[in-house]
Formats: sequence, C-alpha cells, structure tokens
Amino acid sequence: QKEVEQNSGPLSVPEGAIASLNCTYSDRGSQSFFWYRQYSGKSPELIMSIYSNGDKEDGRFTAQLNKASQYVSLLIRDSQPSDSATYLCAVELGTALIFGKGTTLSVSS
Amino acid sequence: DTAVSQTPKYLVTQMGNDKSIKCEQNLGHDTMYWYKQDSKKFLKIMFSYNNKELIINETVPNRFSPKSPDKAHLNLHINSLELGDSAVYFCASSPIWRGSSTDTQYFGPGTRLTVL
Repeated sequence: QKEVEQNSGPLSVPEGAIASLNCTYSDRGSQSFFWYRQYSGKSPELIMSIYSNGDKEDGRFTAQLNKASQYVSLLIRDSQPSDSATYLCAVELGTALIFGKGTTLSVSS
Repeated sequence: DTAVSQTPKYLVTQMGNDKSIKCEQNLGHDTMYWYKQDSKKFLKIMFSYNNKELIINETVPNRFSPKSPDKAHLNLHINSLELGDSAVYFCASSPIWRGSSTDTQYFGPGTRLTVL
C-alpha cells in the first residue's frame, strides 16, 4: 500500500512565525510532489509543486524535497491568520495523486 | 470563469436511492478525476479518465459508476446509496497526460452527499 504520512496537528504558531509542515512518502518511484491548502468547507487549492531535490520558493512559501529520505516539507514564513487551514501533501503515483491526511495549521494573531 | 464545476453542491437523500453528480471543466484538460473526502478529511482517489477512457478504478464498490460523455465532462452515478457513502465528492482535472504520470490537479467545489 503506497502511503503519504503527515502529522495531523493541529500545529499552532503565532502570527509572524515560521510554520513547518512535514510529509513522508513510501514510493521511491514518485517524481512529482504537491502541497495543497484546504480551507474548511472549500476545495483543495494548489500552493506549490516540486519535482527536484532541494528548495523551491514562491513568496512566503518554500517547498523542500529530499528524495533519498522520501521527505517533502513546506515552510510558511511570516505566517498570517489567513494561513489557518489544512495543508495536504500529495505525491504522484503513476496516474493518480495520493494524498496525506493533512496537517491543520492555526495561526494566532 | 468557473474552471471545474460540479452540480449539485449539496445532495441529501435516503438510503437505497440512486443519484448522480455532474462535473464539467472548461480548461481544455485531458484528464479528469473523482475523489472522495470522508468525515476525517481524508481525500482518496476513486476514478480517473483520460480522453473519455477509464484509467484508474480504485477499490470502489461497483455501485459507483463514472461516465464520461466527452473529455470536458465526468459524471458519477451512485446506485443503492448507503449511509457510508456520506462524504464530500470532489471532481478534479489535470492538464497534461504524460503517458504514465499525472500533473497538477485542479479541484471543483465539491458535492456534499448526505445519506439518511
């Protein structure tokens, strides 16, 4: 069974802090990795995609990938209350995305 | 402009009924998906279609039958609804079919199905 693991949280950080979200996956053959954000009652929306080892930055978001360790993370700098949501890690497995169960982030003002 | 749309947004029905959920995308994507998100928020793939052809059929009861009349539409029909079918069902589409892997997926707003 191919799996994607995330800590369910909640992860609580104060406004302005760095939030660090982690994800591990079981299939070494996966090549594409995604972070989605899902607000309560809404659909998942793509935040970041990453395909190569290393860091990828987009605004306040940085995705990090380490294929040898089968680990992908998302850093959110200068966290805002509007970042409070569930963050889903998704890993490509052939023709589908396999999602983790999500980490709930709460940013307090 | 709505990219991926689903109807209805809410669906409340009795056990044993048959219902359908419709999905349409206007992004010109080749691949469409159905996902189920349960009460614990776990999002799981059910079906995938590429250019109207079934690609993925995960372990889903055969009461669930997807139908793709064209590559812009993927409908989900559910027979003999059960209490455990209550969930949010998301349709998604993906722009590139690279032969063996998916790419970024764009989700519809979801259909909340409640079976009483």
